Amino acid sequence: EIVLTQSPGTLSLSPGERATLSCRASQSVRSNYLAWYRHKPGQAPRLLVFGASSRAAGIPDRFSGSGSGTDFTLTISRLEPEDFAVYYCQQYGSSPVTFGQGTKVEIK
Amino acid sequence: EVHLVESGGGLVQPGRSLRLSCTGSGFIFGDYALNWVRQAPGKGLEWVGFIRSKSQSATTEYAASVKGRFTISRDDSKNIAYLEMNSLRPEDTAVYYCGSEEILSSRPPKNDYWGQGTLVTVSS
Repeated sequence: EIVLTQSPGTLSLSPGERATLSCRASQSVRSNYLAWYRHKPGQAPRLLVFGASSRAAGIPDRFSGSGSGTDFTLTISRLEPEDFAVYYCQQYGSSPVTFGQGTKVEIK
Repeated sequence: EVHLVESGGGLVQPGRSLRLSCTGSGFIFGDYALNWVRQAPGKGLEWVGFIRSKSQSATTEYAASVKGRFTISRDDSKNIAYLEMNSLRPEDTAVYYCGSEEILSSRPPKNDYWGQGTLVTVSS
């Protein structure tokens, strides 16, 4: 099983600031099948990035994903109010599918 | 527009069974693989299992925590996927989400689309 470790656990930032979230895998993620989701309380999670660096349909360009192999990053260039939420990475290259434990982005 | 709706959640006693449904609309249901993901209170997302599309023989895979107790199936004629949960435990208490992706290979699906979730509470 591939274990995904996200850091930091919590990120305290102000609107307009840049957020950098990390996701490290215990072994290489096949074909970089790594996704990022944003999850707000009481809502369904939303796919932001897939294949490590491809933005999902309708996702604004302030979201960007990078990385390969075992180290991946989600960057939010300028935080908007709706971006304060929990972010999860997920590897879907092999079974069992696994999620990271999440990074909470909170308002400073 | 792709739409997924989960139903069937509720309060159930430990050891009993429950069946959740995931109804899809706005897309060709049979072409999509379907995931079940859950979130226990105060916890993160946990993958439960998935079912491939019919073209991939509708095979299934499960997380170790539910293997042998949970079964995923699908009825493409009704645009519904099911999660049959047996021998429920208090630690199965969670919001259960279904998700979908149209894929042609046999790899696990990601969740391009998500339902709003249905709450399952296992308690006596």
